[in-house]
Amino acid sequence: AQTVTQSQPEMSVQEAETVTLSCTYDTSENNYYLFWYKQPPSRQMILVIRQEAYKQQNATENRFSVNFQKAAKSFSLKISDSQLGDTAMYFCAFTLDNNDMRFGAGTRLTVKP
Amino acid sequence: GAGVSQSPSNKVTEKGKDVELRCDPISGHTALYWYRQSLGQGLEFLIYFQGNSAPDKSGLPSDRFSAERTGGSVSTLTIQRTQQEDSAVYLCASSLSQGRLGTEAFFGQGTRLTVV
Repeated sequence: AQTVTQSQPEMSVQEAETVTLSCTYDTSENNYYLFWYKQPPSRQMILVIRQEAYKQQNATENRFSVNFQKAAKSFSLKISDSQLGDTAMYFCAFTLDNNDMRFGAGTRLTVKP
Repeated sequence: GAGVSQSPSNKVTEKGKDVELRCDPISGHTALYWYRQSLGQGLEFLIYFQGNSAPDKSGLPSDRFSAERTGGSVSTLTIQRTQQEDSAVYLCASSLSQGRLGTEAFFGQGTRLTVV
């Protein structure tokens, strides 16, 4: 079974600074997909960024980027120029081709003014 | 509809009562997931439906929990004889299975269940 581990229950960062959220996963498969989702206080889950395992290039979406280390089974999220609106729970997720998606326990990020 | 719809948005029930939570996925999405999120906690996988295949029920915490998906669309999560530890937000998500492409899951806003 696939597992996803987020070892940082809570983190904080000053506005405009950079923060990195960690995620590791365990799988014996070679082709899979990794996601970071954001859940603000409104409870609405929002996709932040997605990485396909067969792509070596790290995904980037504006201020959000990932550091994907396939051999180490690591998938960290870097948020640059943090904004107050980035305050949320962040979940790392893993899925295989069959779309069975599993999530980590989440990291609560607080951006301080 | 435009997104995943869950109802009710909030539900308060007495311990021992049965509850039904509804999820209406995005039209055409073949995959549907139920997750449970306890206060401030992560997402606990409950059950997963994919098309006409038998659902993956491996996450259901006890036999008081069951779910069905009728006609490959709307899903109902039923909790029988509710207990206080069942209090949580129940999230539903759906995605369009595209084989190797691994698509995004779209979430509803959840049902907050409170057992008193």
